[in-house]
Amino acid sequence: EIVMTQSPATLSVSPGERATLSCRASQSVSSNLAWYQQKLGQAPRLLIYGASTRATGIPVRFTGSGSGTEFTLTISSLQSEDFAVYYCQQYNNWPSYTFGQGTKLEIK
Amino acid sequence: EVQLVESGGGLVQPGRSLRLSCAASGFTFENYGMHWVRRAPGKGLEWVSGISWDSRTIKYADSVKGRFTTSRDNGENSLYLQMNSLRAEDTALYYCTKDFASGMGFDYWGPGALVTVSS
Repeated sequence: EIVMTQSPATLSVSPGERATLSCRASQSVSSNLAWYQQKLGQAPRLLIYGASTRATGIPVRFTGSGSGTEFTLTISSLQSEDFAVYYCQQYNNWPSYTFGQGTKLEIK
Repeated sequence: EVQLVESGGGLVQPGRSLRLSCAASGFTFENYGMHWVRRAPGKGLEWVSGISWDSRTIKYADSVKGRFTTSRDNGENSLYLQMNSLRAEDTALYYCTKDFASGMGFDYWGPGALVTVSS
């Protein structure tokens, strides 16, 4: 099983600043990686697929990068609505997927 | 508009069974793989099971293998999760999700069905 490890567990950032979230895979997943945002009381929302492609309707301030085992989600100029929990997910071995444990992005 | 609606959740005693259903609409259900994902209280997302469009491929997380069974009825646009030998650690909000394209993540999620395993 591919294990996904996210860091940090909690990230405190001020509105308007940049946030950088990391995700590491225990073995290469190529570019088969997605990022999700989950707000309290809501289902997760797909942000990024293919490691770097924004899903429909996702603002350009969300940028995904990386391949193989190291991935990054960058949110430039944080807005109030961006404070949430973010998960990475590998889909290298369909349909056996795994998620990271999540990064909580909170207001500093 | 794509909609996924789970049902069948509730309170169940350890060792008992429960069956979740997911009613899908707004897309051609038979063309897509579908999955179950759960989130336990205070924990993160956990992929539970996935099924191909034609039911020929079904996979499970190690934590539920041998106890849970996923199936689908393309004629009824429905996905199912039969959960047997339930444990306290199966307590979670269970989401039904739709494959994005040919399996590049999940582009639609249901609101979830709460399963509580407790005596």
